[in-house]
Amino acid sequence: DAGITQSPRHKVTETGTPVTLRCHQTENHRYMYWYRQDPGHGLRLIHYSYGVKDTDKGEVSDGYSVSRSKTEDFLLTLESATSSQTSVYFCAISEGRGYTFGSGTRLTVV
Amino acid sequence: RKEVEQDPGPFNVPEGATVAFNCTYSNSASQSFFWYRQDCRKEPKLLMSVYSSGNEDGRFTAQLNRASQYISLLIRDSKLSDSATYLCVVPIGGSQGNLIFGKGTKLSVKP
Repeated sequence: DAGITQSPRHKVTETGTPVTLRCHQTENHRYMYWYRQDPGHGLRLIHYSYGVKDTDKGEVSDGYSVSRSKTEDFLLTLESATSSQTSVYFCAISEGRGYTFGSGTRLTVV
Repeated sequence: RKEVEQDPGPFNVPEGATVAFNCTYSNSASQSFFWYRQDCRKEPKLLMSVYSSGNEDGRFTAQLNRASQYISLLIRDSKLSDSATYLCVVPIGGSQGNLIFGKGTKLSVKP
């Protein structure tokens, strides 16, 4: 087990409010990723990190920011949530032979 | 061509059937490929990696045709527990690069 956990598991928030999702890993992996999954789309990369304070944008980064101040934690922030950000968010770590995903955060923006 | 394309599905098959899923990819530089399985409302989980012409693991066989940029997943003797969505995944940018996911093919195995 890769020891990757996401919190919260579910969240309902109002349009315009800030939201932070947390991804925590226990095995000192360098690479961490945030994806979103929506009906009719494959998983799409939002941001990723290749080390402490080292992050880069993915395919759908608009409206999202990330931070990685410690190896074990990768935070995804929606500065001002919109209804289009209603989605399931998955964090992942890279283990060389593929990615291991967290259990996901189901976010609803109303 | 879209980056990763899969059979649209859904596939509805009886127990014991053999079923095959196809996937095409556009990045000819990709060297390794993955099949992930995703159960309803769960995270994707790695099913198989494909690094050369193919890979077999029990009832599951993955094949790669680099010339045609085509990957397949064959499931023999389907079980009810095989019901899930199967995602074709192609890395870009090296082994630590981004993964491009297909939209998935849904499999439903019936008694």
